Amino acid sequence: DGGITQSPKYLFRKEGQNVTLSCEQNLNHDAMYWYRQDPGQGLRLIYYSQIVNDFQKGDIAEGYSVSREKKESFPLTVTSAQKNPTAFYLCASRPRQTYNEQFFGPGTRLTVL
Amino acid sequence: AQSVAQPEDQVNVAEGNPLTVKCTYSVSGNPYLFWYVQYPNRGLQFLLKYITGDNLVKGSYGFEAEFNKSQTSFHLKKPSALVSDSALYFCAVRSDNYGQNFVFGPGTRLSVLP
Repeated sequence: DGGITQSPKYLFRKEGQNVTLSCEQNLNHDAMYWYRQDPGQGLRLIYYSQIVNDFQKGDIAEGYSVSREKKESFPLTVTSAQKNPTAFYLCASRPRQTYNEQFFGPGTRLTVL
Repeated sequence: AQSVAQPEDQVNVAEGNPLTVKCTYSVSGNPYLFWYVQYPNRGLQFLLKYITGDNLVKGSYGFEAEFNKSQTSFHLKKPSALVSDSALYFCAVRSDNYGQNFVFGPGTRLSVLP
């Protein structure tokens, strides 16, 4: 899991509540990503950021928001607008060069009660 | 549009036998190809990548993969499987075109039987 930390490991939320997932990296990577993983569907991109103070929507951004105020941090907020938020959330980072692989954090499992 | 297919949801192999996990892809431009492994409730771990050059790429834990441009494939292989190789394997592709992101396959669950 390298130098990327995600917290908490498990998170429970009541319907209608917003919740924020933390992602921190000490690898000095420019780019950071958030993915959602559901059984049998692989990884789907929620948001990504190539540089501080800039981010773009991925394939399934509806109901999610992010910020990138610091290079090391890329928190993800799951809002009440997300219809089915129960999933495993993975954060990743990588250096800027296009051929570099991503480094993944250990993940956060979110369950909506 | 970019896409990745892993045609097998599940692969079973006996310990000590060779294993293959299949991956085919579609990209515009030249592909960068990656294999990752995921153990239960963990993040993805990088195994190997193809960027350019030799079509046979060697990676971590004795895994290797062969890039085949004509068949648009990047199959993962290992000569002798271990029970500890049992995990979920993901193939990913990224085009060398500017602005493209990674696309992941749906994953293949490998079970190595003792």
